[in-house]
Amino acid sequence: DAGVIQSPRHEVTEMGQEVTLRCKPISGHNSLFWYRQTMMRGLELLIYFNNNVPIDDSGMPEDRFSAKMPNASFSTLKIQPSEPRDSAVYFCASSLGAVNTGELFFGEGSRLTVL
Amino acid sequence: QKEVEQNSGPLSVPEGAIASLNCTYSDRGSQSFFWYRQYSGKSPELIMSIYSNGDKEDGRFTAQLNKASQYVSLLIRDSQPSDSATYLCAGESGSARQLTFGSGTQLTVLP
Repeated sequence: DAGVIQSPRHEVTEMGQEVTLRCKPISGHNSLFWYRQTMMRGLELLIYFNNNVPIDDSGMPEDRFSAKMPNASFSTLKIQPSEPRDSAVYFCASSLGAVNTGELFFGEGSRLTVL
Repeated sequence: QKEVEQNSGPLSVPEGAIASLNCTYSDRGSQSFFWYRQYSGKSPELIMSIYSNGDKEDGRFTAQLNKASQYVSLLIRDSQPSDSATYLCAGESGSARQLTFGSGTQLTVLP
């Protein structure tokens, strides 16, 4: 199995630009998570999907952030417009079943730098 | 107060020693706890899970859970330089029982 695949691995953009991060979960996993990691705030959950349906988006910072999961094999996290404080590593993770009964498998992350 | 708190360290131990990593949590309803290891520049990977009070051993790793004290720990015996990484404690919480991570403890094992 190829694992969780994220793209792009690195993104450098200017303030105000739209950023789209992509994720392909492990086949057969029915839960997908978007996390953001910074030195100051650690690893924060942004949004959690189960069977393609958003279950908890309370971690999404503000209206500039949106996430979609149109099918079981693809999800996007979009930031529009981007700001320098959005600079972080964004991880996508998937799991088989409920999170409290299994492990999360993380992608390699997308490192975002907003200038 | 964060839902999962860790001593951010950093922690340094000599090779062969026991490394002790600690974590406390605030949600008394949490039932499942996990320790993830994250090497520099890499993604977190699960190394231990624990669901019941007491100890759980897996090779050189022992996870300990005390629900009365809301305390989780990870012991690494015979520490190796390859154990040098950031260790993240995580617990399930919230209405959707999602995984909440602590800020991590950076461990360095000195040869």
